[in-house]
Amino acid sequence: DAGVIQSPRHEVTEMGQEVTLRCKLISGHNSLFWYRQTMMRGLELLIYFNNNVPIDDSGMPEDRFSAKMPNASFSTLKIQPSEPRDSAVYFCASGGSSYNEQFFGPGTRLTVL
Amino acid sequence: AQSVTQLDSHVSVSEGTPVLLRCNYSSSYSPSLFWYVQHPNKGLQLLLKYTSAATLVKGINGFEAEFKKSETSFHLTKPSAHMSDAAEYFCVVSDPGNQFYFGTGTSLTVIP
Repeated sequence: DAGVIQSPRHEVTEMGQEVTLRCKLISGHNSLFWYRQTMMRGLELLIYFNNNVPIDDSGMPEDRFSAKMPNASFSTLKIQPSEPRDSAVYFCASGGSSYNEQFFGPGTRLTVL
Repeated sequence: AQSVTQLDSHVSVSEGTPVLLRCNYSSSYSPSLFWYVQHPNKGLQLLLKYTSAATLVKGINGFEAEFKKSETSFHLTKPSAHMSDAAEYFCVVSDPGNQFYFGTGTSLTVIP
């Protein structure tokens, strides 16, 4: 298994543009987590899904952020419109049944100019 | 509620000396606890996990951690630091829904 796959690995965009981050889960996993990491705030959970259903989106900063899981193995995180303060590394992680570890992807480094 | 406190934001050790990274947890449940490592510009990699089996847990790269319920601690140790151990380390507690609660991280510096 290739592990959790994220794309793109790096994204540089201008303020106001739409950004879409993608994540492919490990086959057989049923939980998907999106995190954001910055120097100021550390690791923050944005949203997580279980069996394709969003369970907790209280970490999503504002309405500019949205996440979907169109099928059991794929998720997108969209920022529209993007702002410079959205610059961060975005990780997704997949997990199996309760109390199993989460497997993290390599992250997408987003820079909004 | 679940939370973890990593007691040191930065730890420096000399190569070949022991490593101790401290973590205290709070959990409403019988906890699952994890240590993850993040090397610069990389993702997070699992070092070890405790899920109510043996209280002394051995992980990768010579690391181990001991679950102490009476002290609500899960400290990470390694007998002899290597230069490649320099990284950020995160202590994590999870709830039954597999949601993770991260500590703020400890940056480990290894001095040659």
